[in-house]
Amino acid sequence: DAGITQSPRHKVTETGTPVTLRCHQTENHRYMYWYRQDPGHGLRLIHYSYGVKDTDKGEVSDGYSVSRSKTEDFLLTLESATSSQTSVYFCAISEVGGGTEAFFGQGTRLTVV
Amino acid sequence: GNSVTQMEGPVTLSEEAFLTINCTYTATGYPSLFWYVQYPGEGLQLLLKATKADDKGSNKGFEATYRKETTSFHLEKGSVQVSDSAVYFCALQRTNSNYQLIWGAGTKLIIKP
Repeated sequence: DAGITQSPRHKVTETGTPVTLRCHQTENHRYMYWYRQDPGHGLRLIHYSYGVKDTDKGEVSDGYSVSRSKTEDFLLTLESATSSQTSVYFCAISEVGGGTEAFFGQGTRLTVV
Repeated sequence: GNSVTQMEGPVTLSEEAFLTINCTYTATGYPSLFWYVQYPGEGLQLLLKATKADDKGSNKGFEATYRKETTSFHLEKGSVQVSDSAVYFCALQRTNSNYQLIWGAGTKLIIKP
């Protein structure tokens, strides 16, 4: 299995509080991604990173920020959590190039009450 | 733009039945195509892929052929098992913009003994 770890695995938080999810990889892959998974929507890209301190927005980036200060760590922050951000969050990593496989973490189930 | 459409689920079959899960795509250029599988409580993992037209990806008895003329990448298996119960995602990889993956909504497969 690819070395990719998400923490925490489960979290319940209150509306309006900031929340940070962590993704840690031991594969030295260049690309890292944060997705959210909701019923009927498949996976939707929140943000991604193509190198240390190089990040870009995905299709559902509003209300989220990211940081990547080291190759191995990619942090996702919900600035002020809302109930619409209740979801399962997945981190993924990949190398560069067409046809390359993405490896996924186990997911973080976040509930905003 | 780029998009992926999968047949809606859930798909319920008896053990040893023939499986087809339809996937069609819209894309510019020549994307790579993937099927990922998600078992309950886990992250996604690559099932198979094809990187150019007429390529056939295969793994664990599953197959899919990249059909450019019909813009399709249907997943098939000749005889399903209870252990194949999972959610299956079709995805295309853009040929520009950092090789991002575009996902279908996922198809839940239930196999009954």
